[in-house]
Amino acid sequence: NAGVTQTPKFQVLKTGQSMTLQCAQDMNHNSMYWYRQDPGMGLRLIYYSASEGTTDKGEVPDGYNVSRLKKQNFLLGLESAAPSQTSVYFCASRLSGPATYEQYFGPGTRLTVT
Amino acid sequence: AQTVTQSQPEMSVQEAETVTLSCTYDTSENNYYLFWYKQPPSRQMILVIRQEAYKQQNATENRFSVNFQKAAKSFSLKISDSQLGDTAMYFCAFMKHGGDDKIIFGKGTRLHILP
Repeated sequence: NAGVTQTPKFQVLKTGQSMTLQCAQDMNHNSMYWYRQDPGMGLRLIYYSASEGTTDKGEVPDGYNVSRLKKQNFLLGLESAAPSQTSVYFCASRLSGPATYEQYFGPGTRLTVT
Repeated sequence: AQTVTQSQPEMSVQEAETVTLSCTYDTSENNYYLFWYKQPPSRQMILVIRQEAYKQQNATENRFSVNFQKAAKSFSLKISDSQLGDTAMYFCAFMKHGGDDKIIFGKGTRLHILP
């Protein structure tokens, strides 16, 4: 049982380049999330998806797009990377329901935009 | 909108001592959940403890316990007999019950356990 996996683990981009961060979970969870973590800022929600095919903006969605075409996958896209997007990105998933609250996190992706 | 505030950016305690991390939150909801997550240097986020707002009894997990004061909107984490492995960032988090599935995190407290 792999849990939540993220690829890649590290990435360096030049300003203006595009890329997609991939997240996969094998726990049949309904909800998936993308966060960014910056020093002194904690985890800030970028986008989340309560179910396959649905997505909603979080606190800091500008400059990102997401896709949830399959229940197990949640993709985070950067169309034109900017230095302000240098951060550590975490994906998480959760089995929604009255008795299941915990979010399970992936190991993170460290992204540097130069 | 809900907010979560951790007023202690950084703390240090001696090994085996007891330490309390503070967290306050703001919400108009009555039913919600509160969490403490630990992030060690490995960067992995680990759930430490959770509390349902409708439960008056404070949650406990081994050396970790919370002091949940619903009226004061306070949710502190107490670590007893602290160990070197407790060195980590600790995040307080809030989720409302039956809502939009969002979890709001505080900015974290960096805890150092000194040998």
